Amino acid sequence: DQQVKQNSPSLSVQEGRISILNCDYTNSMFDYFLWYKKYPAEGPTFLISISSIKDKNEDGRFTVFLNKSAKHLSLHIVPSQPGDSAVYFCAASSQGAQKLVFGQGTRLTINP
Amino acid sequence: SQTIHQWPATLVQPVGSPLSLECTVEGTSNPNLYWYRQAAGRGLQLLFYSVGIGQISSEVPQNLSASRPQDRQFILSSKKLLLSDSGFYLCAWSNLMNTEAFFGQGTRLTVV
Repeated sequence: DQQVKQNSPSLSVQEGRISILNCDYTNSMFDYFLWYKKYPAEGPTFLISISSIKDKNEDGRFTVFLNKSAKHLSLHIVPSQPGDSAVYFCAASSQGAQKLVFGQGTRLTINP
Repeated sequence: SQTIHQWPATLVQPVGSPLSLECTVEGTSNPNLYWYRQAAGRGLQLLFYSVGIGQISSEVPQNLSASRPQDRQFILSSKKLLLSDSGFYLCAWSNLMNTEAFFGQGTRLTVV
């Protein structure tokens, strides 16, 4: 049972444009969401997070939007840069749960 | 500051040989510890997690086992490796509220 889903395995965006990565979840108990970025042969690194009490969190070029009624979150990167090319994972957790649940990842490619 | 060490970085093992991957965390106490695997073309699959010494939860039935002999040490093992055990293994730790997870650099395991 895939509780966190990233339905787009890959995304290609022109440099300077906006990249939008999507994530859906099924467990209504999730109350904290995170995005990670992963380069090949490296561990994922934390990008940005959002609590379920908010619907938007912004950090520089990265903004995460949360739509609780739709059980959907998205990561916006603007403007996209070549160094943003990586695999992006969304993750979710709930208070009292003992683990983070990750999506399958989306490979983002920024074209010059 | 907290750091996480995972070794070795790469490993080539023959089918049927044993496996031991070690992960240690510094700068924090009583962390939640995780082993993930990223197989080629797939997302992050949670293998094991631990909320305390000697406490191991297994997410998927498989040829692997995990142990936590000390608070900040997490070991992934196998008695006899299979070809299907090849992949990229990641150790991670999180705080008690699971509001963030920090990953090691990963181990690329190739079973031949």
